[in-house]
Amino acid sequence: EPEVTQTPSHQVTQMGQEVILRCVPISNHLYFYWYRQILGQKVEFLVSFYNNEISEKSEIFDDQFSVERPDGSNFTLKIRSTKLEDSAMYFCATAEETGWGSPLHFGNGTRLTVT
Amino acid sequence: GQQLNQSPQSMFIQEGEDVSMNCTSSSIFNTWLWYKQDPGEGPVLLIALYKAGELTSNGRLTAQFGITRKDSFLNISASIPSDVGIYFCAGPLHNAGNMLTFGGGTRLMVKP
Repeated sequence: EPEVTQTPSHQVTQMGQEVILRCVPISNHLYFYWYRQILGQKVEFLVSFYNNEISEKSEIFDDQFSVERPDGSNFTLKIRSTKLEDSAMYFCATAEETGWGSPLHFGNGTRLTVT
Repeated sequence: GQQLNQSPQSMFIQEGEDVSMNCTSSSIFNTWLWYKQDPGEGPVLLIALYKAGELTSNGRLTAQFGITRKDSFLNISASIPSDVGIYFCAGPLHNAGNMLTFGGGTRLMVKP
């Protein structure tokens, strides 16, 4: 079965550094999402992306965050200047369509640790 | 905003027992989803519910969409060790689309 692939699986960075998290969506999927899960807490929506632009974003997704699809395959999440509270699992999710006939497929996540 | 409350937060049961967990909301949802998260992995969709009162099964799992549209439950029958994980309910943030809000999860532990 096709999978959403995320790299790296674990990223350790120092506070203030930039990080880029990468996702390869399932090939025929057009809708892309980033979610975050702080350790021991619930999964939270960050941003949705369709047709090369952000469709919607949450309050968490502030000016330090950005997303792009630079080469038509990878879908990236960039955090410009990481803070300690950015430490979390970041999940990429993709869907073929936006309606409920087409459920979200999640990747296995990138664990980001900010020290 | 829309918040989903799950109970219990954790359960420790014997293999073979049945399990029931539920999810409530102060606001109405048009869709209820149940996901399972294994350690070190992303959530995987178990069951999707689209209609108030709907009862849907997926193998040993059964979920119901409450009549008031403010709650849902998930039952697992005859639990096995691989049922271990965190079970999340989720619903669309704006009652449409794939932007989801998740409950806090129910952590299930199964003793062989």
